[in-house]
Amino acid sequence: SQQGEEDPQALSIQEGENATMNCSYKTSINNLQWYRQNSGRGLVHLILIRSNEREKHSGRLRVTLDTSKKSSSLLITASRAADTASYFCATENSGNTPLVFGKGTRLSVIA
Amino acid sequence: DVKVTQSSRYLVKRTGEKVFLECVQDMDHENMFWYRQDPGLGLRLIYFSYDVKMKEKGDIPEGYSVSREKKERFSLILESASTNQTSMYLCASRPGLAVTQETQYFGPGTRLLVL
Repeated sequence: SQQGEEDPQALSIQEGENATMNCSYKTSINNLQWYRQNSGRGLVHLILIRSNEREKHSGRLRVTLDTSKKSSSLLITASRAADTASYFCATENSGNTPLVFGKGTRLSVIA
Repeated sequence: DVKVTQSSRYLVKRTGEKVFLECVQDMDHENMFWYRQDPGLGLRLIYFSYDVKMKEKGDIPEGYSVSREKKERFSLILESASTNQTSMYLCASRPGLAVTQETQYFGPGTRLLVL
């Protein structure tokens, strides 16, 4: 069952611009995570935000979580060509259960 | 660093063949997962395991089975491969409940083509 739904499906921006991706989910969660996947590769964990947190930062990444709207956003500031990848949100619905992934946003950063 | 390895990056098999996809992790994680990834469908969970000899069905277990005889190894088996099982297969692992660590670590993926 697909829990997260990313929006937009694809995003193309110029290097130096900010990129914002959104994720909506359906049920209550323990935490929400964002992963990155370079073409043809496995996923790499970027950042985790717990259900009692509203915002989190890690380097050029900023994640927000609004549990009342069941939504999250990932902001990448000052994007670089190397940020070109697919980005997935994943939710953990309760303790030690498998993550449920969305379909992803494909980000292209043009130099 | 956690390392999750998968036995093959690319695999070509014929319809009806039995296919084994192997996954090994080196961090003593209790939990291991198999996903398949298809364009437009994202990642879908096939099977997962909380410990040795334990297995749980995910969202799309039909046509697959798994084996977890050792903690570090989780195998995905396609009993009789079909063309609709052509996909990217991703293995992941994660520590168990005793450790507060919810992130999953992924292998590089196996791209399987069934002819």
